Amino acid sequence: EVQLVESGGGLVQPGGSLRLSCAASGFIFSSDWMHWVRQAPGKGLVWVARINEDGTGTTYADSVKGRFTISRDNARNTLYLQMNSLRDEDTAVYYCVRDRPGDNYYMDVWGKGTTATVSS
Amino acid sequence: DIQMTQSPSSVSASVGDRVTITCRASQDISSWIGWYQQKPGKAPKLLIYAASSLQGGVPSRFSGSGSGTDFTLTISSLQAEDFATYFCQQGSSFPLTFGQGTKVEIK
Repeated sequence: EVQLVESGGGLVQPGGSLRLSCAASGFIFSSDWMHWVRQAPGKGLVWVARINEDGTGTTYADSVKGRFTISRDNARNTLYLQMNSLRDEDTAVYYCVRDRPGDNYYMDVWGKGTTATVSS
Repeated sequence: DIQMTQSPSSVSASVGDRVTITCRASQDISSWIGWYQQKPGKAPKLLIYAASSLQGGVPSRFSGSGSGTDFTLTISSLQAEDFATYFCQQGSSFPLTFGQGTKVEIK
């Protein structure tokens, strides 16, 4: 079964850091692009970042550029999102998402999400 | 950035109704659009990609059409399990952007 399981969310003060992880299984992780997408409470979906299959190419939303870093460890089948200098507006459910193979840039497999809450 | 504008923001419908949701892109995105369904407390699910291609396992009552800037998602005969929020997403260029969502509610 193709599966993505996020972890690492929690409560953090403004200016703090969190590192999200996403464990992938059931597919060849090293072959696929991956994304992080977030959703603030009661709001819509916002794309955050993407990484190519070998980790050499990344792209970020302007709202997180310079603060967040997407990375991957293909030996561990794991995707990461390092979030620094967190702001109240970063509070959201963060989804780990697979880019649909053969058709950039649609998102065909989603994790259940992990919640990051930024509050003092 | 490419803006995606969905309409309506919500629609009330009954089981068996035909429901159409539209999405307009702020610039030409060819056929680079996907449609997602999200139920409360759950992750989104890909329904349609490349404007009109049905994702595997998705019922055939879902269909998509359009090209350029104007797109539609149609549910031909609404079922109880289709009550949810639907989002469009452009895959033409980064940053990838989503529409604000259309909530399909029970009449």
